[in-house]
Amino acid sequence: GAVVSQHPSWVICKSGTSVKIECRSLDFQATTMFWYRQFPKQSLMLMATSNEGSKATYEQGVEKDKFLINHASLTLSTLTVTSAHPEDSSFYICSVLGISGELFFGEGSRLTVL
Amino acid sequence: KQEVTQIPAALSVPEGENLVLNCSFTDSAIYNLQWFRQDPGKGLTSLLLIQSSQREQTSGRLNASLDKSSGRSTLYIAASQPGDSATYLCALTGTASKLTFGTGTRLQVTL
Repeated sequence: GAVVSQHPSWVICKSGTSVKIECRSLDFQATTMFWYRQFPKQSLMLMATSNEGSKATYEQGVEKDKFLINHASLTLSTLTVTSAHPEDSSFYICSVLGISGELFFGEGSRLTVL
Repeated sequence: KQEVTQIPAALSVPEGENLVLNCSFTDSAIYNLQWFRQDPGKGLTSLLLIQSSQREQTSGRLNASLDKSSGRSTLYIAASQPGDSATYLCALTGTASKLTFGTGTRLQVTL
């Protein structure tokens, strides 16, 4: 199966700063990646679908200007949380769509905004 | 809109017991169903994938079934071990490859 790497695994930042999270598909060319967010004791919620070479598709209620997604290559998608605030503190997970429809997940990135 | 529910929300069993986790969904138009486990603060680990044309999948002590007509899937764990303690999530892939997650079942296997 695909190996998915996320970086950083955890990050602490001050309110108002921007944070970039990388998601890499190490052994698979991924045309489609997904970004999820998970608040404590809640299930994962899909934020957006990232398609290589085109604009991301955002789920309802997710601010595209706040959560910038770039999928410039078949192995890398980035999520940038702009002007982060404490309410953006969450666990962010990316996943890669495999050929059979299976999803492979990164280890996640925990963001804490002070 | 697809809704996925998992029952029970939490479960505690003694080591060695066999157990069943349930997942129910409202829209049977799915491509596949996956079961994941999530350890605290970690990403998801895929356990089993069942395509919509399949009825069940097995991997080691795990067996997952799918009944689209009734909108149900079960994950059977045989001879549970403390290392099985985690949150188990079912997720359905629908149109546009979007994944809808269930609410999760938190499993605790005690010594």
